[in-house]
Amino acid sequence: GESVGLHLPTLSVQEGDNSIINCAYSNSASDYFIWYKQESGKGPQFIIDIRSNMDKRQGQRVTVLLNKTVKHLSLQIAATQPGDSAVYFCAENTMNQGAQKLVFGQGTRLTINP
Amino acid sequence: GAVVSQHPSRVICKSGTSVKIECRSLDFQATTMFWYRQFPKKSLMLMATSNEGSKATYEQGVEKDKFLINHASLTLSTLTVTSAHPEDSSFYICSARDSGRLPGGDTQYFGPGTRLTVL
Repeated sequence: GESVGLHLPTLSVQEGDNSIINCAYSNSASDYFIWYKQESGKGPQFIIDIRSNMDKRQGQRVTVLLNKTVKHLSLQIAATQPGDSAVYFCAENTMNQGAQKLVFGQGTRLTINP
Repeated sequence: GAVVSQHPSRVICKSGTSVKIECRSLDFQATTMFWYRQFPKKSLMLMATSNEGSKATYEQGVEKDKFLINHASLTLSTLTVTSAHPEDSSFYICSARDSGRLPGGDTQYFGPGTRLTVL
């Protein structure tokens, strides 16, 4: 069945270092992937997205890599800051009975150490 | 742009009462909205897809008679938790898909969530 999972539930990095958050997905037919950031008590915030016809996309301090061969997605955050501390979710856009929906991974809690 | 609001942000109710949560897209039209539920330290689970002018599509295991969804306009969807019980306590989050985006635009924008506590 469909599933999107994360390799690590928690990740701690030093402020200023780069961080990499990984995600595995199972539906090879998924064509769109999104990374969301969720702070405590708030809704998910869009970070960056990528379509299946791309393997890399860059934003401001963030890069998403997509490896369709192994069905793997990663989020790289450069020069982490205290404000980057949050839970990060990958989401997979998939079709189910003719309707599009997002399937979320379990999330990785990123902690930035001073 | 692409702001989604929810009201209320927090609600406490007695067991057996009903609670209505509103989800609004403030600066765009949303033919489709989604309702999610999130337990502490868990991921978001899709409950239902709300379609403007038609019936909602519920995910497997979600009771449609308990979680009533109405999508009366292109900017408003409501979720009513009927006869709430303590096990319904959770964080409810809505999202909206921008109908005006170019074909293929699939980005969902999320609301801030509603914390429901049933005593």
